[in-house]
Amino acid sequence: GENVEQHPSTLSVQEGDSAVIKCTYSDSASNYFPWYKQELGKRPQLIIDIRSNVGEKKDQRIAVTLNKTAKHFSLHITETQPEDSAVYFCAADSGGGADGLTFGKGTHLIIQP
Amino acid sequence: NAGVTQTPKFQVLKTGQSMTLQCAQDMNHNSMYWYRQDPGMGLRLIYYSASEGTTDKGEVPNGYNVSRLNKREFSLRLESAAPSQTSVYFCASRVTQGTDTQYFGPGTRLTVL
Repeated sequence: GENVEQHPSTLSVQEGDSAVIKCTYSDSASNYFPWYKQELGKRPQLIIDIRSNVGEKKDQRIAVTLNKTAKHFSLHITETQPEDSAVYFCAADSGGGADGLTFGKGTHLIIQP
Repeated sequence: NAGVTQTPKFQVLKTGQSMTLQCAQDMNHNSMYWYRQDPGMGLRLIYYSASEGTTDKGEVPNGYNVSRLNKREFSLRLESAAPSQTSVYFCASRVTQGTDTQYFGPGTRLTVL
């Protein structure tokens, strides 16, 4: 089955700086890669996603890049703000006919004032 | 439009007790999922239902059963709860398998003593 690795587990940046979170996946059949943001005690919320026929996608301060050859994808947040503090999860669809998402273990992003 | 709803929000069980977690969605989605979230582990897929009348095992199905009651409702049952099943349980749904956005419910926090 699919395996998703996520790094780093904790990331602390100064307000206004950029943050980058990286993920790798194992199943070359996977073709959908969402990113979720989860605040303490809340449900995961989708912030951006990318499909395998696209190399990069942007939405205001958030961007995701995908390298299918290397099987890795990254989340980039620019001009970080205090409200960006949360846990971020990458995920990949299970591919190979199975359904559901396989998640990374999460990155706790801390924005320092 | 409530999206994905779950009941109960919190539950405490004793080892060996049984219970059913309820999930419903009002978005006319075909596919529904149950995940569990443990500290430092991300979310892991327990069971999924690609469409009404079908269910399949995910990554961690042992100790659980599911029922897709109709298109709206997907329940998760613990027949004999164990302390290892202490977790936060999230239900999710999406239009269909593949590359559609998956929406999560608010979660059920379960403690097994």
